[in-house]
Amino acid sequence: IAGITQAPTSQILAAGRRMTLRCTQDMRHNAMYWYRQDLGLGLRLIHYSNTAGTTGKGEVPDGYSVSRANTDDFPLTLASAVPSQTSVYFCASSALLEGAEELFFGEGSRLTVL
Amino acid sequence: GQNIDQPTEMTATEGAIVQINCTYQTSGFNGLFWYQQHAGEAPTFLSYNVLDGLEEKGRFSSFLSRSKGYSYLLLKELQMKDSASYLCAAMDSNYQLIWGAGTKLIIKP
Repeated sequence: IAGITQAPTSQILAAGRRMTLRCTQDMRHNAMYWYRQDLGLGLRLIHYSNTAGTTGKGEVPDGYSVSRANTDDFPLTLASAVPSQTSVYFCASSALLEGAEELFFGEGSRLTVL
Repeated sequence: GQNIDQPTEMTATEGAIVQINCTYQTSGFNGLFWYQQHAGEAPTFLSYNVLDGLEEKGRFSSFLSRSKGYSYLLLKELQMKDSASYLCAAMDSNYQLIWGAGTKLIIKP
């Protein structure tokens, strides 16, 4: 069982370029999340999705967009990358959104914007 | 505002016991999570507490005091593989997770 797969694992990107980080889960979880992790800061929620067809904004949504066309996939798009978006991005899923369910994380995508 | 505090870094000796503290302030409360994250890897779930008291799971235990807004993770019989960051996260009334910055635990032989 793969769990959650993210791609790419690492990417260097020129500022102004468009970039999509892919996330796929095979656990049939309802809820999916995108976090960014920066040194000295806690995980910060970018966007989330309760179920296929719905999305919501997290703590730091500006500059990012997501879609949830089906249960398994939850891509994150940077329309025009800026250096402040240099970070490690984690996709996560949980069985339910409302309720204290543990999160399962992908291995992360390390993005550097120059 | 909502806030989580935990120490930035701790050092302990192999075979010893270490306690990592976490204090939280949230709008409502639906439980406290601990995750382990090895360098360069994804966080993995360790424990969840929603009632006061101690939950024991092998070498790891987690404690919660709701009245004090306080939790700790207790690691016994430390092993070198326990060197990692430990993330505390509190769930608020909207079931949103508020994350601490993590405590980097260094284990020395």
